Amino acid sequence: ETGVTQSPTHLIKTRGQQVTLRCSSQSGHNTVSWYQQALGQGPQFIFQYYREEENGRGNFPPRFSGLQFPNYSSELNVNALELDDSALYLCASSPGGLAGGEQFFGPGTRLTVL
Amino acid sequence: GENVEQHPSTLSVQEGDSAVIKCTYSDSASNYFPWYKQELGKRPQLIIDIRSNVGEKKDQRIAVTLNKTAKHFSLHITETQPEDSAVYFCASTLYSGGGADGLTFGKGTHLIIQP
Repeated sequence: ETGVTQSPTHLIKTRGQQVTLRCSSQSGHNTVSWYQQALGQGPQFIFQYYREEENGRGNFPPRFSGLQFPNYSSELNVNALELDDSALYLCASSPGGLAGGEQFFGPGTRLTVL
Repeated sequence: GENVEQHPSTLSVQEGDSAVIKCTYSDSASNYFPWYKQELGKRPQLIIDIRSNVGEKKDQRIAVTLNKTAKHFSLHITETQPEDSAVYFCASTLYSGGGADGLTFGKGTHLIIQP
């Protein structure tokens, strides 16, 4: 059984550009959630995908969008990057179902916007 | 929406002593409360969790207590060791069984174990 993986590890973009981050969920997990973690802060919920549909969204603008694929991997897309988007982006997968709830995090993608 | 407050922001204890971190939540419907440990430059790791139908849960040196009436939950670490030094986050959510739900995190507690 493999854990949650994310790519790339680090990314540098300039303001106004677009970025795509990728996440592979843990084997057997059908739910992926994305979080933004600014330096020195707790993770903030962006949105969640369950069985390929958006299942909940935090307080982030529409320029943050996502996808989930049939194998339950996921992408986070951010358009029109702003300086404040610089952060660690974490995805977490969860098995769902009655025994679910637990979310297991990937190592994150460190995004720097210049 | 849900709001989670966590205290203290920094906690320094002597090796071997106990550490307690406290969190309060605002949404009485929340029913799942995990705790994560995050070492510098690493991913948050789930260390223990509790559901609203349980008042206390233990796993070796770590325990979590939940008071639903007061809407607060606490992490207790006994016999602290140097490897316990990290940032600890509490979180809460309403878990409905149809996939996970977004976690609301506290701001974190930097736990420092003094040798």
